[in-house]
Amino acid sequence: KQEVTQIPAALSVPEGENLVLNCSFTDSAIYNLQWFRQDPGKGLTSLLLIQSSQREQTSGRLNASLDKSSGRSTLYIAASQPGDSATYLCAVRGNYGQNFVFGPGTRLSVLP
Amino acid sequence: DTEVTQTPKHLVMGMTNKKSLKCEQHMGHRAMYWYKQKAKKPPELMFVYSYEKLSINESVPSRFSPECPNSSLLNLHLHALQPEDSALYLCASSQLPAGDPGYTEQYFGPGTRLTVT
Repeated sequence: KQEVTQIPAALSVPEGENLVLNCSFTDSAIYNLQWFRQDPGKGLTSLLLIQSSQREQTSGRLNASLDKSSGRSTLYIAASQPGDSATYLCAVRGNYGQNFVFGPGTRLSVLP
Repeated sequence: DTEVTQTPKHLVMGMTNKKSLKCEQHMGHRAMYWYKQKAKKPPELMFVYSYEKLSINESVPSRFSPECPNSSLLNLHLHALQPEDSALYLCASSQLPAGDPGYTEQYFGPGTRLTVT
C-alpha cells in the first residue's frame, strides 16, 4: 500500500528566502505526482503535475522535481512571499488505476 | 474554465436532518470525486464516479449516499449523521478516471464546511 510522507511538517521562513519542501513515497510504481496548495478552510489549488516520465516541472517561482527510483519529490519555492503562506500537499497516483494518495502536508509561514 | 463549484459553503445540521451537498463542473470531465478532510489532516477519498457510474466506495457508512445525475453534477446526500462527521467535504474532478490513458490532474472545489450538532 502506498504511503506518502512530507518533511518538514511545518516551516517558518523570512520573506525572500528560497525553500524546499519534501515529499516521499514508498512505492515507486507511480503514474504521476501532483503538488497542491491549501489555504485555511479552503479547497486545494493545483500547483504542478509531474508525470512519471518527467524529471521536473516549473511554474513561475515554483519548481517541482521527481526522482521515482528514490521515491522522492521536492517543491522548490524561490524568493518566498507572505502570500505563499499555506499548507502544501503532495499527492501520488500509482499505476494500475489507483487514485491519489495524499501526504500529510507541510504548513508554511512566510514572515514579512 | 477550470472551476469546480460546491454549494453550500457552510452547512449546520442536526443528527436527524437530511441534507445534500452539490458539486458542479463544466469542463467535460468524466471522473468526479468526494473527499472528506478533518482539520490539519489530508483529504481522504470517499467516492469516485467514472463516466457517471460509481466506481469506488472507500467503505463509507451508508449515511452518506452519493449520486451523479449527469456528467456535470455530483451530489452527496446526508442522513442521520454523527458529530464526528463534521469536516470539510471536497469535490474534485479530472478529465479521465485513474486507469484511463492520459489521466491528468485533479481540480478541486472550495469545499463545504459541515457541522453536525
